[in-house]
Amino acid sequence: NAGVTQTPKFRVLKTGQSMTLLCAQDMNHEYMYWYRQDPGMGLRLIHYSVGEGTTAKGEVPDGYNVSRLKKQNFLLGLESAAPSQTSVYFCASRTGGTDTQYFGPGTRLTVL
Amino acid sequence: AQSVSQHNHHVILSEAASLELGCNYSYGGTVNLFWYVQYPGQHLQLLLKYFSGDPLVKGIKGFEAEFIKSKFSFNLRKPSVQWSDTAEYFCAVNTGGFKTIFGAGTRLFVKA
Repeated sequence: NAGVTQTPKFRVLKTGQSMTLLCAQDMNHEYMYWYRQDPGMGLRLIHYSVGEGTTAKGEVPDGYNVSRLKKQNFLLGLESAAPSQTSVYFCASRTGGTDTQYFGPGTRLTVL
Repeated sequence: AQSVSQHNHHVILSEAASLELGCNYSYGGTVNLFWYVQYPGQHLQLLLKYFSGDPLVKGIKGFEAEFIKSKFSFNLRKPSVQWSDTAEYFCAVNTGGFKTIFGAGTRLFVKA
């Protein structure tokens, strides 16, 4: 049981490049989340999903897109990266009942 | 809008000192409350949570938190900190929906 995994762990992009972050969970959780963590700002919700095939915007969705084609996977895409997207990205998942979120190890992204 | 405030961004303590980290939220209804911890180089993990019942909840590693509804607070405490408690601590609130709101975090450094 790996829990929540994220790929890649580190990435450096140039402004304008695109990339996709992959989150996978093996706990059969319905809900999945993408957050970004910036110093002094805590975790801010980018997008979330309440089930396969559904996605919704969070607090800071601009510049990001997501997809949840399979229940266990939640992809975060950056179509045209900007330096303001330099951050640590965390994926999380949970069941509907407990409300406790389980987090992945994070992806550190730098946009030059 | 709902929000979570953590009073201290940085706290430095010596080993064996007592710890109290403040957390206040803005929401008048029923809440589920959490404290998450992020040790250096690791992902966030649940420290403790409150859903209902006894407002004094105990978590892992000797931490406890008290929910005071009249003050909209959920402060984290530990009687005697250890060097290994050095971490960043996040207070979080769920108001029954899909989203959980996180505070900005408090970085605790414990001097050996």
